[in-house]
Amino acid sequence: QITLKESGPTVVKPTQTLTLTCSVSGFGVSGSGVGVAWIRQPPGKALEWLAVIYWDDDKYYSPSLKSRLTVTKDTSKNQVVLTMTNVDPVDTATYYCARRRWRKFYFDYWGQGTLVTVSS
Amino acid sequence: QSVLTQPPSVSAAPGQKVTISCSGASSNIGNNFVSWYQQLPGAAPKLLIYEAAKRPSGIPDRFSGSKSGASATLAISGLQADDEADYYCGTWDSRLSAEVFGGGTKLTVL
Repeated sequence: QITLKESGPTVVKPTQTLTLTCSVSGFGVSGSGVGVAWIRQPPGKALEWLAVIYWDDDKYYSPSLKSRLTVTKDTSKNQVVLTMTNVDPVDTATYYCARRRWRKFYFDYWGQGTLVTVSS
Repeated sequence: QSVLTQPPSVSAAPGQKVTISCSGASSNIGNNFVSWYQQLPGAAPKLLIYEAAKRPSGIPDRFSGSKSGASATLAISGLQADDEADYYCGTWDSRLSAEVFGGGTKLTVL
């Protein structure tokens, strides 16, 4: 059974760094062709793709957020970590991680999401 | 402003058929496969259609997808009350080297 679960702080102050962890089971983050992506959704708004990291450590970032994002994976823990620097209230959103496979243009499994509020 | 364009809302009565459009460009829908996601209230998105017209296991054949040029369409027939949800299209944009989504369409079953 494939599952993904996001974890991290529920509240972050403006200008701080947000670190979120995606813990996966049922597949390995270093498995051939495997990718794990981060997608967020501000309250009442649309989905916004943030980043993806593949099994071979290849990474892609949203052009508009690239300077603030870093995505890494910990193979030993089977986790993917997203770091976002200098957060602002507009970064308040539910953050999802999802599985994507190389050359497959869809996210087949999603986590339940975690709501992060940026507020002083 | 989303790279892919969807109507904000659509509605139809139970049992009827509804279509949701997703318009893009040659750098995204025109040259890459489209996927569709259903997001029920308070839930995470769920894959509904992939590679423009394929359904994952467990998705009823009431849901279908198609693509023509730089546009894609999701069709839902035999509407049921529990189809009320937000629907998103998505694909890879080769020019941006980024995944892109539509703005989402809220389906109301009258």
